Amino acid sequence: DGGITQSPKYLFRKEGQNVTLSCEQNLNHDAMYWYRQDPGQGLRLIYYSQIVNDFQKGDIAEGYSVSREKKESFPLTVTSAQKNPTAFYLCASAPGQGSYEQYFGPGTRLTVT
Amino acid sequence: GESVGLHLPTLSVQEGDNSIINCAYSNSASDYFIWYKQESGKGPQFIIDIRSNMDKRQGQRVTVLLNKTVKHLSLQIAATQPGDSAVYFCAENYGGSQGNLIFGKGTKLSVKP
Repeated sequence: DGGITQSPKYLFRKEGQNVTLSCEQNLNHDAMYWYRQDPGQGLRLIYYSQIVNDFQKGDIAEGYSVSREKKESFPLTVTSAQKNPTAFYLCASAPGQGSYEQYFGPGTRLTVT
Repeated sequence: GESVGLHLPTLSVQEGDNSIINCAYSNSASDYFIWYKQESGKGPQFIIDIRSNMDKRQGQRVTVLLNKTVKHLSLQIAATQPGDSAVYFCAENYGGSQGNLIFGKGTKLSVKP
């Protein structure tokens, strides 16, 4: 059963704490992405990775960090430096190499108080 | 500003009617377009895509039309059903950024029984 999974679905943290969101895919996709979605808004790109051990900043990378040590995993850390971390976070993967369709996970809703 | 946008933020249709969701893009270099459906609290799901060398593509109950002259994209849903109620996003890839997609803000489709 192939797909992309994110965990947990809901996450609550106190202000000042770092938190890591999980994203795993078994689609053998090269590319992986992290987006942030705020209410009534589109998706904004945080970080992306086209290949293992390499990643690039997206449009809103400040206050976030990622790693890509394995092809199937692309965890996102929301650091205390992120001024407004409460949001819905979506992970996606794509085959890469000219294929642009991105497959999305179910999302993680992070609430920081 | 955003290169991908939507003419209408909300659309309400009667069950059984056809729905048309519009999207404008500003980058004439864009060569790939995709529509996603997002239900509340879930990740976006692929609906249909189209490359710039086509002007129409049909799927099951959905048709995407591309007008490169006026940089306009539309999604037509035939015989709209209550299960079609969701937010619909268009996205474009303009050939740069290694296959990244640029998303619009979305249109909320509500289907009245």
